[in-house]
Amino acid sequence: EAQVTQNPRYLITVTGKKLTVTCSQNMNHEYMSWYRQDPGLGLRQIYYSMNVEVTDKGDVPEGYKVSRKEKRNFPLILESPSPNQTSLYFCASSFRQGYTDTQYFGPGTRLTVL
Amino acid sequence: SQELEQSPQSLIVQEGKNLTINCTSSKTLYGLYWYKQKYGEGLIFLMMLQKGGEEKSHEKITAKLDEKKQQSSLHITASQPSHAGIYLCGADRTFSGSARQLTFGSGTQLTVLP
Repeated sequence: EAQVTQNPRYLITVTGKKLTVTCSQNMNHEYMSWYRQDPGLGLRQIYYSMNVEVTDKGDVPEGYKVSRKEKRNFPLILESPSPNQTSLYFCASSFRQGYTDTQYFGPGTRLTVL
Repeated sequence: SQELEQSPQSLIVQEGKNLTINCTSSKTLYGLYWYKQKYGEGLIFLMMLQKGGEEKSHEKITAKLDEKKQQSSLHITASQPSHAGIYLCGADRTFSGSARQLTFGSGTQLTVLP
């Protein structure tokens, strides 16, 4: 089954404790992206990756790191989490078909930073 | 940066009623994506509109893009409880018809009463 998986789905942590949220897709998509969703602010892009070893900042990259060593994986790293990073995080991957992209989203990771 | 405003923010309708959700952009729309999200879950791609005046339908959901007004509307006919969720519009920032760098509206919460 074609899908984007994220782990963990739920995480409660404390300020300053490094964490990684994993994202994996089994569709051989070149493009992957991370978003965060906050009430009243909608979805905002954190980082994206056009292909292996190619990453770039989105709208709200501060406090986050990513890596793309393999095509299928795109982990999101919070080196020193802070309470303002409490949010719902989504990973997405997409492929281009003609003039349009179809973007597939993961189920989300709900992160709470105390 | 491009801003997307969705209206209404929330909508409660009786099953069987028609409804419309609007998405208005502060800039010209080159690619407009509609997604549906169940609370706390990932986004499901509904439709993508690219050309002015374009209209697409899927089952009982119709979306239109009015480039002159920089607006898109999503219309649901004879709503059902299964239509309930959060509807999000996303606009392509790169003017390439790509879903890769999207700016999202804050969403419309739809409740359908049986």
